[in-house]
Amino acid sequence: DVKVTQSSRYLVKRTGEKVFLECVQDMDHENMFWYRQDPGLGLRLIYFSYDVKMKEKGDIPEGYSVSREKKERFSLILESASTNQTSMYLCASSLTATYEQYFGPGTRLTVT
Amino acid sequence: DQQVKQNSPSLSVQEGRISILNCDYTNSMFDYFLWYKKYPAEGPTFLISISSIKDKNEDGRFTVFLNKSAKHLSLHIVPSQPGDSAVYFCAASAIEYGGATNKLIFGTGTLLAVQP
Repeated sequence: DVKVTQSSRYLVKRTGEKVFLECVQDMDHENMFWYRQDPGLGLRLIYFSYDVKMKEKGDIPEGYSVSREKKERFSLILESASTNQTSMYLCASSLTATYEQYFGPGTRLTVT
Repeated sequence: DQQVKQNSPSLSVQEGRISILNCDYTNSMFDYFLWYKKYPAEGPTFLISISSIKDKNEDGRFTVFLNKSAKHLSLHIVPSQPGDSAVYFCAASAIEYGGATNKLIFGTGTLLAVQP
């Protein structure tokens, strides 16, 4: 079974703090994704990566950056956290040849 | 511009009856569609998918129907069980979005409540 793990289930940070969310997958997937989920808005793509050191902006990249130094690890960085970044953050991975994405359990981030 | 729409935010069904969740899309280039199920405090899990060359795909209690001319797909759950209570997301993908990666465009989700 594919396993995608995220570093924290719940996180509380203060406005202006730098926040790191880490995601690790164990199935040698080429592609990795970061989404945020908000009520009434569904899942929105922040950034994705199709290879080590490669990244592309999703639909809502503002205020975020990412890092992929190793194939199995994809990090989401909030450079200066703001209250409107309070959300559920979901990481996913997939093979290039398939459409199905496998998700981690999510990180509930609260910025106060 | 919401390219994948789930117009019903919630649905309540009695145990044992059929649940029908609907999804509409606007982009005729979408060629693959998926349904995901999400419990609170968990990540979405893949449920069932369908390629645009088919109009029906079945997996146990779950069947997905695709009507390309209407740009509409639906997920049928028969019989519904209390454990099916969750948020259901439909998602779509297109080769033009893929490139080196198969990106998915998600709908806003429908909360299904199956009453015992």
